[in-house]
Amino acid sequence: GQNIDQPTEMTATEGAIVQINCTYQTSGFNGLFWYQQHAGEAPTFLSYNVLDGLEEKGRFSSFLSRSKGYSYLLLKELQMKDSASYLCAVMDSNYQLIWGAGTKLIIKP
Amino acid sequence: IAGITQAPTSQILAAGRRMTLRCTQDMRHNAMYWYRQDLGLGLRLIHYSNTAGTTGKGEVPDGYSVSRANTDDFPLTLASAVPSQTSVYFCASSVGNTGELFFGEGSRLTVL
Repeated sequence: GQNIDQPTEMTATEGAIVQINCTYQTSGFNGLFWYQQHAGEAPTFLSYNVLDGLEEKGRFSSFLSRSKGYSYLLLKELQMKDSASYLCAVMDSNYQLIWGAGTKLIIKP
Repeated sequence: IAGITQAPTSQILAAGRRMTLRCTQDMRHNAMYWYRQDLGLGLRLIHYSNTAGTTGKGEVPDGYSVSRANTDDFPLTLASAVPSQTSVYFCASSVGNTGELFFGEGSRLTVL
């Protein structure tokens, strides 16, 4: 079966750095995506990785290792507005997105 | 403002009733999707449409139907609602199978 695993909840301090991990087992791979979802709102696209390595976009970076079936989202200089759920999704061989359950990130002052 | 509009935003429905959730986009995206989101579970695909005139079944299609008469509209119909269909429903669109989805604000449906 297809599976995406990510921690249910994480807590971090304002101004710090946090790494949210995602491991996956899917039938085929056509890219890994990270989305941000604030409580009561719609998910919004953050990043996309299809090749191994680190993609940096401002305070957010995303890393991919296809051989290990592993990705992480790195958030630097945390702000209170970063409190949200972070969803990991993998596009399989049928070009369908398989979603993890999301990691709820709590930022404390 | 360009984007996706869903209606209604919230609805309480008696079991057995028919319900249509509306979704309209003005970005001219060819692909559209309906997902449901339940606590502790990832987004689950109900139905999708790669282009106007075509539809396909996702992971959890039973009890739901869709149509795609034109590029902009993608309504989701529950023919006879059951309590297990209580969920938050998101409509989304994308330019082809890019994986970069644009989501509507969601429709919270409660079936009693």
